[in-house]
Order: sequence, then structure tokens, then C-alpha cells
Amino acid sequence: EPEVTQTPSHQVTQMGQEVILRCVPISNHLYFYWYRQILGQKVEFLVSFYNNEISEKSEIFDDQFSVERPDGSNFTLKIRSTKLEDSAMYFCASTTEPGSTQYFGPGTRLTVL
Amino acid sequence: GESVGLHLPTLSVQEGDNSIINCAYSNSASDYFIWYKQESGKGPQFIIDIRSNMDKRQGQRVTVLLNKTVKHLSLQIAATQPGDSAVYFCAENWGGGADGLTFGKGTHLIIQP
Repeated sequence: EPEVTQTPSHQVTQMGQEVILRCVPISNHLYFYWYRQILGQKVEFLVSFYNNEISEKSEIFDDQFSVERPDGSNFTLKIRSTKLEDSAMYFCASTTEPGSTQYFGPGTRLTVL
Repeated sequence: GESVGLHLPTLSVQEGDNSIINCAYSNSASDYFIWYKQESGKGPQFIIDIRSNMDKRQGQRVTVLLNKTVKHLSLQIAATQPGDSAVYFCAENWGGGADGLTFGKGTHLIIQP
């Protein structure tokens, strides 16, 4: 069964450093998403992406964040200058069309020291 | 503001009993609802979904009920098993191009032997 994959599973970085989180969505999906989950809290939407551009973003997704689909399979989330409060699980999701089931990857645990 | 929330943070049931997990939503524009299961250290796993033009949908051992009058969603799990232990989130998606999911806070389901 096809699934969303994410790398790395755990990323540790120093405050102020740039990090890139990688995702490989399900191959026939066209809509991609990033969510985050701070420890013990609910999952929060960050951004959705379709046809090589952002289609929606939340207030969390400020200028420090960016997304990119550098090739036909990868979808990345970049945090330009990490802050302590960026420590969280980051989940990638994909779907065939909006309003349909979004399938989530296993997540990347980001720890900012 | 609009939100999706769960009534109980923890639900403890005996193995073999039925479980009911509740969710309240406040966005009357929501037209698609999903239940996800999240095991420790993993990403949200799709369980079942329902659209606003339905009031009940059944899957394997799970049933989702939607009451639009009181804006209430529930997940029923029949004959719970130890593998059902997890945190369960309801999520909503509302139309108008806003395709990021809004998640509730989660209910931790504990299965007692």
C-alpha cells in the first residue's frame, strides 16, 4: 500500500540554524500539506501546496517558513532560522484532491536547542 | 472563534466493550469530517470519514455519526481490542478553498484487559 514517507525521523538543530524537512508524498497525489504537532497538543495546519504554489497557509506559516517541490517526488519544508518554539513533530500529508482523505507521513521530530 | 474540540481527554474501556468518542465542532460551513488514530510516535492514521450530506457511515468495527443540528460527531468502535489504544482526533474541512484540516485536541483511548 502506498504511503507518505518523511526524512529524517529526528532532526536536532541549534537555534538560528536552517533546517529542511523532506517528504515524499503518495505518487499519484497532487495536493500536499505540512502540519505540526507540539508535544501533547493537537495537530495544526501550516500550509497546503498545489501546482507548484501555496494554495493556503495558516498564521503559523510566517516568513521563516517556505515550501518547495524541487523535483517530481519530493516536497520540502524549510525553516530559515529556527526558534526554540519550532520544536515539534512535523507531518507531511497528501491527497488526490481537496476535501478528500489526507494521508499522513510518520513525521519528523524537530528539536531546537 | 471556530474550533473543533473533544469532550473527554481520556477514555478507559474494557477489552471487548464498545467505545464511543465524541467531538463537537462549531464551524457550520464544515462539510467533511475525518477521524484519525495516532499511536505514540507515529503520524495520524485515517480511520473513517463522513461528508455533511450523510449522518452515518460504517466501516470495519467503526461507525461515525454526524449530527449537524447540534454540530456533533462521534466515533464508535465495536469490540475494542488492545491495538485500539491510541489518541483519536476528529478533524474538519470546510469548503471555499480552505483545504487545511482543523484538528480537535484528541481523546486518549485506553483499553483495559
